[in-house]
Amino acid sequence: QIVLTQSPAIMSASLGERVTMTCTASSSVSSSYLHWYQQKPGSSPKLWIYSTSNLASGVPARFSGSGSGTSYSLTISSMEAEDAATYYCHQYHRSPPTFGAGTKLELK
Amino acid sequence: EVKLVESGGGLVQPGGSLRLSCATSGFTFTDYYMSWVRQPPGKALEWLGFIRNKANGYTTEYSASVKGRFTISRDNSQSILYLQMNTLRAEDSATYYCARDRDWGAMDYWGQGTSVTVSS
Repeated sequence: QIVLTQSPAIMSASLGERVTMTCTASSSVSSSYLHWYQQKPGSSPKLWIYSTSNLASGVPARFSGSGSGTSYSLTISSMEAEDAATYYCHQYHRSPPTFGAGTKLELK
Repeated sequence: EVKLVESGGGLVQPGGSLRLSCATSGFTFTDYYMSWVRQPPGKALEWLGFIRNKANGYTTEYSASVKGRFTISRDNSQSILYLQMNTLRAEDSATYYCARDRDWGAMDYWGQGTSVTVSS
């Protein structure tokens, strides 16, 4: 199965700071099949970015996604308090679908 | 409005069984693949399996960790998704989510989750 490694595992950012987190796949993933979810404590995951770079409905424009092959990233151009959450990458390129272990983003 | 509501979780003894339900509304149920995903307390998400849509014959796929113990089914007349869990183990303790799969496998709607605890 394809293993997704997310880094860092935990990070903190100040308001207004640029944030980048990465997702590295153990083998190549088609960019169409790489997605990101946001999850806050006590809540269900929410689709955040689909097919590498497409923002889900309602996601602020300060978020962006990029990547190809085995290397993908999620970037926040300017950190806001509401962005504190855990972000999971997910691949559906090859069965079984797999998730990364998550990056927990905290407000500094 | 798309809604997914899980139910059926609870406390069960090791070796026991449980059936989870996911009642859906707000979309044409038969058009979509539907997945089950779980999350142990404080841990990451784990895909368990999915059931395909009408166009693909409602066939199923499972992760290796639950294949042979868990069964996914759907009642298309009532738009309900099920997860039958047998021979439960302590490591199956988690919050279980149902999710709708859209293009490219992105899970665009999730239920609120139902908690399963396997303990004697």
